[in-house]
Amino acid sequence: DTEVTQTPKHLVMGMTNKKSLKCEQHMGHRAMYWYKQKAKKPPELMFVYSYEKLSINESVPSRFSPECPNSSLLNLHLHALQPEDSALYLCASKAPGQIAGELFFGEGSRLTVL
Amino acid sequence: AQSVTQPDIHITVSEGASLELRCNYSYGATPYLFWYVQSPGQGLQLLLKYFSGDTLVQGIKGFEAEFKRSQSSFNLRKPSVHWSDAAEYFCAVGREYGNKLVFGAGTILRVKS
Repeated sequence: DTEVTQTPKHLVMGMTNKKSLKCEQHMGHRAMYWYKQKAKKPPELMFVYSYEKLSINESVPSRFSPECPNSSLLNLHLHALQPEDSALYLCASKAPGQIAGELFFGEGSRLTVL
Repeated sequence: AQSVTQPDIHITVSEGASLELRCNYSYGATPYLFWYVQSPGQGLQLLLKYFSGDTLVQGIKGFEAEFKRSQSSFNLRKPSVHWSDAAEYFCAVGREYGNKLVFGAGTILRVKS
């Protein structure tokens, strides 16, 4: 299994809703990432988990709350989002010891905030 | 700090023609360089990578890239483009240690028949 699976593929939410994005991989990777990608822009790093511990938080607003319950699963909890948070949210993973950059990406969750 | 510049926002080539996408990087130490491809609405797929050694690296889908330290470049090439190559291409630079990867702004490739 060489896939990173993200659900849901599409999500529409209001500014007062609480929702979650989910990411799963079964490749034994121990680093997992959340990226945000706006239209026609490169991915921007949000969070990195390494061995289930948060290792990088790129000054992301607290309305985004990551969680890594185990080595295969990564969640992104969303609450009180703004319309400008509408974007493609990409999850990625990396095997232990590999150079930063050898990432496996999921297909993304496209989020629309109304 | 690391940075990556992709000078071309859009490139259009005819099917069967050759392709070169430009990438320039800025990094004080030995760079770890990558090219990723993203089809519309999809995630990113790693095409190829350069860490050290032979400066011409081969990747998937018939792509290759050449590392030129003197020009701080890592250009992506393909001898004959197929319509299915139409996508956005991102150059990226990483570090040996740490988890950060810095992406360029991307180049959108259009293929005309």
